[in-house]
Amino acid sequence: AQSVTQPDIHITVSEGASLELRCNYSYGATPYLFWYVQSPGQGLQLLLKYFSGDTLVQGIKGFEAEFKRSQSSFNLRKPSVHWSDAAEYFCAVASESNYQLIWGAGTKLIIKP
Amino acid sequence: DTGVSQDPRHKITKRGQNVTFRCDPISEHNRLYWYRQTLGQGPEFLTYFQNEAQLEKSRLLSDRFSAERPKGSFSTLEIQRTEQGDSAMYLCASGQGDATNEKLFFGSGTQLSVL
Repeated sequence: AQSVTQPDIHITVSEGASLELRCNYSYGATPYLFWYVQSPGQGLQLLLKYFSGDTLVQGIKGFEAEFKRSQSSFNLRKPSVHWSDAAEYFCAVASESNYQLIWGAGTKLIIKP
Repeated sequence: DTGVSQDPRHKITKRGQNVTFRCDPISEHNRLYWYRQTLGQGPEFLTYFQNEAQLEKSRLLSDRFSAERPKGSFSTLEIQRTEQGDSAMYLCASGQGDATNEKLFFGSGTQLSVL
């Protein structure tokens, strides 16, 4: 069965420091992978997605993610975080039917001043 | 506002009561999804519409839950005989195009509390 694991429940990073959020998936075929961000009181917003092609994907707000098939990973990165990046981040994979997304439990990002 | 809107934002109800939530997707979007999210978890798929047709429904969705999308526009999600375990945030999302190129737009959700 398909699944997504985000090993870190919380991550604390100093403002201006680099960030990497981990995501591992379980899927038999080539996955369609997504990262979404959820800020308090806001709807989930798509940061980036991977379907095929270049394994390094650029997204909005300066985020990028790298698909590594050998490690079944799709980690999200940002070279320098801003206080406004504090939010919860979710990794997701599309189901085989492509009718639904299967989500990780999320990683809450805390920014230290 | 051209985003996905959900009504109400919050609903408090007593166990055993029926509740209905509404979702207005982005007008040109043909796909509409309902998800449920509890604290500390990612969203959990409930059901999916393409236009007015309900194409997929989660096995987790009991017969107390029903969703409709008449005329392929807005959608309603009804929960009958609510239970405390139904307390969650109910999210609606809409999208356009085929799933492989899909970008979903989410509403802010309806927070349900069952007392």
